[in-house]
Amino acid sequence: DGGITQSPKYLFRKEGQNVTLSCEQNLNHDAMYWYRQDPGQGLRLIYYSQIVNDFQKGDIAEGYSVSREKKESFPLTVTSAQKNPTAFYLCASSIGQKRASGRADEQFFGPGTRLTVL
Amino acid sequence: AQSVTQPDIHITVSEGASLELRCNYSYGATPYLFWYVQSPGQGLQLLLKYFSGDTLVQGIKGFEAEFKRSQSSFNLRKPSVHWSDAAEYFCAVALPPSGGYQKVTFGTGTKLQVIP
Repeated sequence: DGGITQSPKYLFRKEGQNVTLSCEQNLNHDAMYWYRQDPGQGLRLIYYSQIVNDFQKGDIAEGYSVSREKKESFPLTVTSAQKNPTAFYLCASSIGQKRASGRADEQFFGPGTRLTVL
Repeated sequence: AQSVTQPDIHITVSEGASLELRCNYSYGATPYLFWYVQSPGQGLQLLLKYFSGDTLVQGIKGFEAEFKRSQSSFNLRKPSVHWSDAAEYFCAVALPPSGGYQKVTFGTGTKLQVIP
């Protein structure tokens, strides 16, 4: 079964601690994304990656970092610099612009990780 | 900049009744348009998408949406709602790419409650 997995489902962080959220996909997608979801605000883009070893900041990248060493994996680190990290984090992937070739490059989402700061 | 508006934060319908969720976008040209559904504590699932062609789009779970260029709208409809349709629904728009990343903007969502 192809899909996107995120772990853990729930994560608790103490003040001043860095935590890393895992995102893995076996859809052979080139592009991957991280979103933050807060009640009543929709989804906001944190980082995205169109290809391995390359990633770009989204709208709210401050206090977050990512890596893309493998096509299948796009981990997100929430650093202590993120002042209000309690939220629901969603990872997504898509085939990528090059292969979408002018068509809608729809995103497929993982089940999410709920991060709570204690 | 592109934007998308879902004017209804919360909607309640009776089971078996028809449903229409509104979505309006702001962009000069026709963007790509999507509807996603999210069950509590879960990720988003794509219901349907539009990028060209027939303006009435059929999706999964019996949903359809109609693109109306003159109204900059992409409303989601279902003729008869089931209790399992209770969820949050997100409209999203994406700009046709100009050599780079296809940025997607999500609406703030509409929460659907279904009563017996």
